[in-house]
Amino acid sequence: ETGVTQSPTHLIKTRGQQVTLRCSSQSGHNTVSWYQQALGQGPQFIFQYYREEENGRGNFPPRFSGLQFPNYSSELNVNALELDDSALYLCASSLDGDPETQYFGPGTRLLVL
Amino acid sequence: RKEVEQDPGPFNVPEGATVAFNCTYSNSASQSFFWYRQDCRKEPKLLMSVYSSGNEDGRFTAQLNRASQYISLLIRDSKLSDSATYLCVVDTGFQKLVFGTGTRLLVSP
Repeated sequence: ETGVTQSPTHLIKTRGQQVTLRCSSQSGHNTVSWYQQALGQGPQFIFQYYREEENGRGNFPPRFSGLQFPNYSSELNVNALELDDSALYLCASSLDGDPETQYFGPGTRLLVL
Repeated sequence: RKEVEQDPGPFNVPEGATVAFNCTYSNSASQSFFWYRQDCRKEPKLLMSVYSSGNEDGRFTAQLNRASQYISLLIRDSKLSDSATYLCVVDTGFQKLVFGTGTRLLVSP
C-alpha cells in the first residue's frame, strides 16, 4: 500500500456542476500530478504541482484547475462539468517530480449525468 | 499519430507461456521509459523502468530501442497473477508522463 490517499472514492454529479477532488501525498513527497483515465484508456496527464506552483499542464481546458497546499496535499477542481468528464481521476505523488519515485493513489470515480 | 501506441490485446496465454508486448513512441526527445501494471479497477503501479541497456527483474525483461522508438516487455513463465493491463509510459521531459492505452493480458490455467 502506498501512502497516497484520495477522497472521495466515488462521486456522482450532473452536467454544469462543479467538483473538488482531494489528494494527500506520500510522506516526504513534494510533487503531485493529476491524471484522468477514461474507460478503456490509459491515464492522461492533467497537470503537476511542485511546491505549491503549477509545473506543467496537459491538454485540458482552463475549467480544470488545481491547488497544492503547504503540506503538499492537493485539490483538483473541475467547473461546468460535462458528460465526457466521467472518468477515474488519479493523483500521484513523487519526490521532485522524479517518475521513479511516483506512486498513485486509488483514484476517485466521477460520474457526470 | 498517438504519442504512445500499444496493441490493446487481449493477449490470452496459458500458464507457463512467454509473452511479449511492444510499444512505440513518437517523440524522439523522450528521456525515460517505464512499464506500469494496472489491475482491474485499481491504480497503476510501476512495474519497471526501461533502460537503453535493457533490464531484467525476475521473469520480466524490458528493452528499449531508441533508433526505432520502440519499447518491449517480455514475461516468461506466465502466472495467473500476471493477468492485468500493462501500460507503456514515456517521460517527455516536460514534467509530463504519457501513457499508452495499455495491453490486456489474460493468463489461463
